[in-house]
Amino acid sequence: GAVVSQHPSRVICKSGTSVKIECRSLDFQATTMFWYRQFPKQSLMLMATSNEGSKATYEQGVEKDKFLINHASLTLSTLTVTSAHPEDSSFYICSARPGAPTDTQYFGPGTRLTVL
Amino acid sequence: AQSVTQPDIHITVSEGASLELRCNYSYGATPYLFWYVQSPGQGLQLLLKYFSGDTLVQGIKGFEAEFKRSQSSFNLRKPSVHWSDAAEYFCAVGANFGNEKLTFGTGTRLTIIP
Repeated sequence: GAVVSQHPSRVICKSGTSVKIECRSLDFQATTMFWYRQFPKQSLMLMATSNEGSKATYEQGVEKDKFLINHASLTLSTLTVTSAHPEDSSFYICSARPGAPTDTQYFGPGTRLTVL
Repeated sequence: AQSVTQPDIHITVSEGASLELRCNYSYGATPYLFWYVQSPGQGLQLLLKYFSGDTLVQGIKGFEAEFKRSQSSFNLRKPSVHWSDAAEYFCAVGANFGNEKLTFGTGTRLTIIP
């Protein structure tokens, strides 16, 4: 149980285009979802926290207009990278938490974004 | 603000040998500590977590970790590693009841040699 999927697993796009990444909790309802970014050979950096039905909370330094997060249902959150540039190339990972803050975060397999 | 330090960037051990990965944390209140494993190109899998109680925590795949408050450490151990344990290991500390705002260490890459 507690499976989180991400789609697509890899995406290559041209500079200036927008890319949408989906994060789904397959067998549980996720009150809260998190989006992380991981640079090569580095750690995960939390980008934002989203609660179903409300606006996402972004970490300091993360551009909310560039990284649009929507958490429209208890099983789906989307991250849209708008007007992508090569520096946005990275590994994006989402996680989902069933309910209480003490619940475990379950991580998706990640999405590799390459902006040409 | 919380922080996590993993002093070892890369560790190489022989298959069957014991393993210890170091993790030191900084957090003003009671820490909630986690170890995750990441295989190449994959997401993270939770190995074990410490919220309270027994300071020696058992996890999946034969891993264990010990919380030592006096040393601000949460080192991960395994008595005998298998080739399939080769991966990146991340220690993390959580705030606000444990699972808000996980702060990750920079990771330790584990290589297993035959």
